[in-house]
Amino acid sequence: SAVISQKPSRDICQRGTSLTIQCQVDSQVTMMFWYRQQPGQSLTLIATANQGSEATYESGFVIDKFPISRPNLTFSTLTVSNLSPEDSSIYLCSVETRTLYEQYFGPGTRLTVT
Amino acid sequence: DQQVKQNSPSLSVQEGRISILNCDYTNSMFDYFLWYKKYPAEGPTFLISISSIKDKNEDGRFTVFLNKSAKHLSLHIVPSQPGDSAVYFCAATYGQGAQKLVFGQGTRLTINP
Repeated sequence: SAVISQKPSRDICQRGTSLTIQCQVDSQVTMMFWYRQQPGQSLTLIATANQGSEATYESGFVIDKFPISRPNLTFSTLTVSNLSPEDSSIYLCSVETRTLYEQYFGPGTRLTVT
Repeated sequence: DQQVKQNSPSLSVQEGRISILNCDYTNSMFDYFLWYKKYPAEGPTFLISISSIKDKNEDGRFTVFLNKSAKHLSLHIVPSQPGDSAVYFCAATYGQGAQKLVFGQGTRLTINP
């Protein structure tokens, strides 16, 4: 199984600022995914990030608000821009596994916007 | 539009008894279903899955049942142990290749000694 780390584990940010979340995997993976879990809600896929190509965003999520970088096969960043209190959530990255359907998840980043 | 629904936000079960967690879905294109377990301050961890061509999959104390006609699946844990206390998410996906997982809202399971 892949070991995934995320930085920071939590942060408190002011409205209007941005936060960049890092996701590091201990092995090379083709696909990485970014999810959001709003308080009391399910996990929602933000985008899929492949190395060497633009991220693919899900309906309701746009690149200007959630820019993603994928510079190599073990690392990705998600930036949450122009923060508002509604962005207060847990953000998780995940990676594909050899069984295709299952994904390994990082521990998440808890963001609070004041 | 919530395509995957877990209608019970919480469930409390006595240690040693059976825990049954339920999940309903609306999208008939889903062909693979998964259960994840999540402890506080950790990411979800994969627990068990089932393909739509099966109606049951068992792994130790965990069994998942799928009723396609009812668009319903359930996770049975027997016997329940205190370490099973966690939030359980049902997820579904379809198609080959890239995996867009659609998650339910989660059910918080508490196992009482």
